[in-house]
Parts: sequence; C-alpha cells; structure tokens
Amino acid sequence: ILNVEQSPQSLHVQEGDSTNFTCSFPSSNFYALHWYRWETAKSPEALFVMTLNGDEKKKGRISATLNTKEGYSYLYIKGSQPEDSATYLCAHQGGSEKLVFGKGTKLTVNP
Amino acid sequence: DGGITQSPKYLFRKEGQNVTLSCEQNLNHDAMYWYRQDPGQGLRLIYYSQIVNDFQKGDIAEGYSVSREKKESFPLTVTSAQKNPTAFYLCASSIVTDSLRDQPQHFGDGTRLSIL
Repeated sequence: ILNVEQSPQSLHVQEGDSTNFTCSFPSSNFYALHWYRWETAKSPEALFVMTLNGDEKKKGRISATLNTKEGYSYLYIKGSQPEDSATYLCAHQGGSEKLVFGKGTKLTVNP
Repeated sequence: DGGITQSPKYLFRKEGQNVTLSCEQNLNHDAMYWYRQDPGQGLRLIYYSQIVNDFQKGDIAEGYSVSREKKESFPLTVTSAQKNPTAFYLCASSIVTDSLRDQPQHFGDGTRLSIL
C-alpha cells in the first residue's frame, strides 16, 4: 500500500500567525494531489486538487504548492484565524479514482 | 441543496449481527466511495464504485460488502466477519469522465458504528 505522510501531526498557533505543513508522497504513479479541510462535526471539504509539477493554487488566505519530482506538497495559511482550526488532509491519486490519504495535520488557532 | 446523505449518524450493533450503512447522493456523480477512519489513522478505502452494477475492493474490504443498484445509492454492509467494526465510516462521491479525472471528492457527515 502506497504511503502518504503528513507533518506535523498537530500544530498550535496564535491568531495572526502564518503556518505551513507538509505532505509527502511517492513520486511514481502520480496523477493528482488533493487537499481537504475537515472541521470537527462536519464533513471533509475539498480545498485543492493539483496535478502539475510546480503548480501553486490559492483560496483566500490558504495556498498550496506541488513538487511531483521530489514528491511533496506544502499547504500555507497566512494570518491564521480561529475558524481555520481543523484537520487538514492530503491524498495521493494515482492511475485511478482511488485516493490514499495521509493521517492529517490537526491545526488549532488560539485567539 | 445537492449533497451526500449518510444515515444513521450513530449505529449500535450486537456482536454477530450484520448492519447496513446508508449513503445517498443527489449530485449526479458517477463514482462513490466508502472510507473507514480509526483513531490515529488516515481515511482507508473499503470499496468504491465508478458505475452502476460495478464496484471494486479498496485496501480493507474484508468483512464488508456493497451494492450499486442505483447511481444515487451505495449502501455498505458490515458483516459479522469484520473482526473490529467499531469505527467512523465516511461515504464520498465524485465526477468521473475521461477528461475530468482530477475531480475532488464530496463527503457525507459520516456514521459512527459501535459494537455493544
């Protein structure tokens, strides 16, 4: 089974801090890298789906980059707010519609 | 509103019983998926289906069964053969076409199954 690693496992920051976390995945058999945000008591919500090496996507204060040759993606949050508190999941998509998820990074933003 | 509905939210099962978790979507998505989450683990794929009357095993299919008789519905049965069924179960769906394979998955709110 393919291994997708996320770090750190958890992160506590103060409101207004910028933060970033990492998703590592095998660079072989790569089709797309997905990022999801999962708030407590809600369903996971898609943030980005990235396919091209060097791609950068942005949604408000959240952005993500992709390096398919070395097998990593970074998720950045600028000026964290308490409502950004959630678990952020990444998932590798290979040659089919199947996704392999990492264990997630749990972000807590303290007011 | 379009979305995915999972029911029930909480489910209790006696040992030795089969139980079926419901998943319905009105997004007109072709593909549907079942995941399981355990504490400290990532989401793990149980079964998925890309088209009606067809489905494939995921990474942890043992002790589970599914059916896909309608595009909108993808029920998951947890059988008595599943040795450790207590977990949180998530259903998802996505668009699938030859030119749109990099589509995000849309998730339901999940069902928490507990063994009495």
